[in-house]
Order: sequence, then C-alpha cells, then structure tokens
Amino acid sequence: QTVVTQEPSLTVSPGGTVTLTCASSTGAVTSGYYPNWFQQKPGQAPRALIYSTSNKHSWTPARFSGSLLGGKAALTLSGVQPEDEAEYYCLLYYGGAQVVFGGGTKLTVL
Amino acid sequence: EVQLVQSGAEVKKPGESLKISCKGSGYSFTSYWIGWVRQMPGKGLEWMGIIYPGDSDTRYSPSFQGQVTISADKSISTAYLQWSSLKASDTAMYYCVRHGFTMVRGVRGRWFDPWGQGTLVTVSS
Repeated sequence: QTVVTQEPSLTVSPGGTVTLTCASSTGAVTSGYYPNWFQQKPGQAPRALIYSTSNKHSWTPARFSGSLLGGKAALTLSGVQPEDEAEYYCLLYYGGAQVVFGGGTKLTVL
Repeated sequence: EVQLVQSGAEVKKPGESLKISCKGSGYSFTSYWIGWVRQMPGKGLEWMGIIYPGDSDTRYSPSFQGQVTISADKSISTAYLQWSSLKASDTAMYYCVRHGFTMVRGVRGRWFDPWGQGTLVTVSS
C-alpha cells in the first residue's frame, strides 16, 4: 500500500513564507509522479493549484509555486494572505489506476 | 465554461443500492478521463478510480475494486458511481474530477480540473 505523507499542520504569519511537502513511501518523488497540489476550504470542493510539479493554472495566484525539494514535491507560498488558510492536498500519479493523495496539510495563517 | 455538475445529496439505508452522477459540459466529454474521489467526514481525499468515456476504459484503486462500479454514458456526457449494497461506512462526500494531459515545454503534464461540487451520501438505518 503506497502512502503519501504531508505535514498534518503548519502555521504561518501573514506576509510570511511557508513550504508544504509531499513524500512517497516508494522513495524520492520525481517529475514522473506528476505532482499536483489542491486547495480545499471548509464546505468547498478542492481547487487545483499546481500540476506536474511546478505548472500553475491560469487562476493560480503568483505567490504559489511548486517544486521538487530533497526528494519530495513541495508547494511554497510566498507573501501569505489570510485567505490562504485552508487544507492543502498533494496528489502523486503512480501509473494506471494508482493515484494517491497525501493526507493533507492544514495551513493556519496567524 | 468547463464544468462538472453532480447529482444531489442522498440519504439511504444500509443494503440499498445507489447511483450518483456527474455531468460534464463545455468540453469534449469523450476526450478526457473522469475520476471519482471520496472524502469521509472530517477526513482527507481518497482516489477511487477513473473512466475514459470515449471507450469506457475503467480502472479502480485497489481499495475500491469490487466495492463500487464506475460507468459512463457518453451520449449524455455523464459519468456514474454506483453501489449495489451500501454500508454505513460509505457515508461521505463524493467528488468527480476531470483528468487531462498537456504538453509543457515538450514534456507531458497531467492535471485534474475542474472538480464537481460534490455529492453527499448518507447511509443510516
């Protein structure tokens, strides 16, 4: 059973910078896992932010960026805004039907 | 506008059957995969499986194989998720999401968007 691990929770001050990570139990995350990142606010459906490691959707704010960092996929928020408080999920694609979400990171802006 | 619109909330008893739907519009329904995602109350996202409406190629996550059936009717641009015998543990929000591919600087990219608004399924005696 493949497990994708994210930090359960992180806290950041408004205007600050925070990096969320996404690790795979199978080893280092590479671009071949097509890391995707999603934001979910309470009572809402998830919203896509980043696809294939670092590509932004047209609606993704510039302060969000994706990368690979130390064998993990990473989502960095620079200049955090209060409205960025949300749950963030990564997704890794292992081929065929094997798509696995991380457990989610609850980001608090305080 | 590209969108996925899901059917409304359902309240069912254990043992009953159920089929929920996800209708695509604003794009070529047969050219993109549709995935289903479960979110149990207060929990994270779980990938259930995926279907390609163009030829009904369907693939299930091992955790959901045999537990649900994913199908699609391309004539009405609609994907389905169904249960033959619900359990209380099936109580959750279910989302559909479109999955596609893009070439980015000569490299294939995979994306998942848009998401449906979700269908809340409550199973209780």
